[in-house]
Amino acid sequence: EAQVTQNPRYLITVTGKKLTVTCSQNMNHEYMSWYRQDPGLGLRQIYYSMNVEVTDKGDVPEGYKVSRKEKRNFPLILESPSPNQTSLYFCASSLTARYGYTFGSGTRLTVV
Amino acid sequence: LAKTTQPISMDSYEGQEVNITCSHNNIATNDYITWYQQFPSQGPRFIIQGYKTKVTNEVASLFIPADRKSSTLSLPRVSLSDTAVYYCLVGDLGGNTPLVFGKGTRLSVIA
Repeated sequence: EAQVTQNPRYLITVTGKKLTVTCSQNMNHEYMSWYRQDPGLGLRQIYYSMNVEVTDKGDVPEGYKVSRKEKRNFPLILESPSPNQTSLYFCASSLTARYGYTFGSGTRLTVV
Repeated sequence: LAKTTQPISMDSYEGQEVNITCSHNNIATNDYITWYQQFPSQGPRFIIQGYKTKVTNEVASLFIPADRKSSTLSLPRVSLSDTAVYYCLVGDLGGNTPLVFGKGTRLSVIA
């Protein structure tokens, strides 16, 4: 089944403890992206990648890192999480930035 | 990319046709229009995409006037399960820049 898989679905962590949210797609898509969604603010883009080894900042990149070493994986790294990064995170992929995006099921992160 | 403006929320009764209009006054020749649907705690789902005139699929229709400064998503005979947030986005045909999601329109369908 064609899909975008995010892990974990839920995560509670403490301030400053490094964490990684994984994202993997099995559709050979070139484009991948991370979003965060907060009440009243809609979906905001964190980072995106047009292809392997190519990443760019979105609207809210501060406090996040990403890497795209291979086409299928696009992990989101929080080196030192803070409570203001408590949010619902979505990974998405697409053939290119133009075509219909496929989203993962989301990761609900709580930083205490 | 052109900025989009859409209503924050709409209410409708079951069985009615719902039209959500999006304004994109600064749309460029190389831009297309796409709509997504999002249910609570789920990722957005692609609904429909178009460049001009009318596009129809099994879920919705998209009407784009000749000047392309607006577009209307039409959902026929909505049901309670159509309650969701609907996003209107403008993207470039070349796919060189990512789509930017705004706050969308929250549609509430009432029995």
